[in-house]
Amino acid sequence: DGGITQSPKYLFRKEGQNVTLSCEQNLNHDAMYWYRQDPGQGLRLIYYSQIVNDFQKGDIAEGYSVSREKKESFPLTVTSAQKNPTAFYLCASRPRQGHGYTFGSGTRLTVV
Amino acid sequence: AQKVTQAQTEISVVEKEDVTLDCVYETRDTTYYLFWYKQPPSGELVFLIRRNSFDEQNEISGRYSWNFQKSTSSFNFTITASQVVDSAVYFCALSEVSGNTGKLIFGQGTTLQVKP
Repeated sequence: DGGITQSPKYLFRKEGQNVTLSCEQNLNHDAMYWYRQDPGQGLRLIYYSQIVNDFQKGDIAEGYSVSREKKESFPLTVTSAQKNPTAFYLCASRPRQGHGYTFGSGTRLTVV
Repeated sequence: AQKVTQAQTEISVVEKEDVTLDCVYETRDTTYYLFWYKQPPSGELVFLIRRNSFDEQNEISGRYSWNFQKSTSSFNFTITASQVVDSAVYFCALSEVSGNTGKLIFGQGTTLQVKP
């Protein structure tokens, strides 16, 4: 079945370490997105990519980096520059035309 | 600027009560999409409905119904005869068509607790 796979589901890292969250889709979607969710808050856009080898900053890109070398993959790196990295991260995708979004099941990152 | 406001942070009801979740949005675009998502404790977002700005027809799907009013920029969601399984966080979201970026702007979410 087509969908988005985020791994791992839970991730623990020490403060100061970079960590990469995986997002893979087999839906042949052109666009992919990363959102961050903090307790009691809505989802905020970190980065998005509408085509391979191209991506744009969202509303809260500082301390994060992404790459889009393949259509299926959009990994997110949380760098040591991100001041409060502990959060729930959701990846999403959609086709080039259309507004049918598919979300992954999320990665809960805890930095200790 | 685009904005989605869900003024109700938490709602608690007893099973079988009806409950309405409010959503108010701001946008300068004339063409846009509105969404409702459900987020159970497991965390994934479950799609409930998508409505485009040209379609103001209200919709009913089983125990769920949606009231879209452009005049008041609202897109409210009602659950009839609530059940314990409806307990979750519900998000309203807006996507503008201009630029075709597909960015979703989410409200803060409303936590619904349905007690037996």
